[in-house]
Amino acid sequence: QVQLVESGGGVVQPGRSLRLSCAASGFTFSDYGMHWARQAPGKGLEWVAIIWYDGSEKYYADSVKGRFTISRDSSRNMVYLHMNSLRAEDTAVYYCGRDWKSGYLGYWGQGTLVTVSS
Amino acid sequence: EIVLTQSPATLSLSPGERATLSCWASQSISSYLAWYQQKPGQAPRLLIYDASNRATGIPARFSGSGSGTDFTLTINSLEPEDFAVYYCQQRSNWPRTFGQGTKVEIK
Repeated sequence: QVQLVESGGGVVQPGRSLRLSCAASGFTFSDYGMHWARQAPGKGLEWVAIIWYDGSEKYYADSVKGRFTISRDSSRNMVYLHMNSLRAEDTAVYYCGRDWKSGYLGYWGQGTLVTVSS
Repeated sequence: EIVLTQSPATLSLSPGERATLSCWASQSISSYLAWYQQKPGQAPRLLIYDASNRATGIPARFSGSGSGTDFTLTINSLEPEDFAVYYCQQRSNWPRTFGQGTKVEIK
């Protein structure tokens, strides 16, 4: 069965960087695009980024463009979110998701919490 | 950026009743809309994609309709496990965006 396991969250100071990882299993990883989405405490969902199945295209939410970078390593079935210049408003649970139809999240991981605080 | 507006914010119903949730898009998104369900402490789950297609394993009491800018999620005969928050999401334009959510609570 499809499994997505996020890691790398924690407490980080404003302006610093953090890298999130997502380990995928149970499907042919190189056949699917992958997403990151997030949810601030007590708030709704926000789409963050997508990387195409072959890594050829990437798209970002306006709120993270230029600060966050999505990447993948298909030899290890991993997708990453590199987050730079972190702000308090980036505090959220970050979810990894498998793409469905170039835009939906068909499967979700359980999330990893990122807290940006001094 | 396409803005999705969900209504109502909260829906108070009893088990067995029908729930009707709405999602409006700030511009036409054809049928490129999905619905997700999220229960407390859990990740969201895809229910409906492309406005009216049920995702794998989703019960038939969940149905979606609409196109253009107006969309509806209907839950026929609410089961106890259906009380949750529901989000719509579009895949018509970049960036992909979510609505703010509708909470379906027990009356």
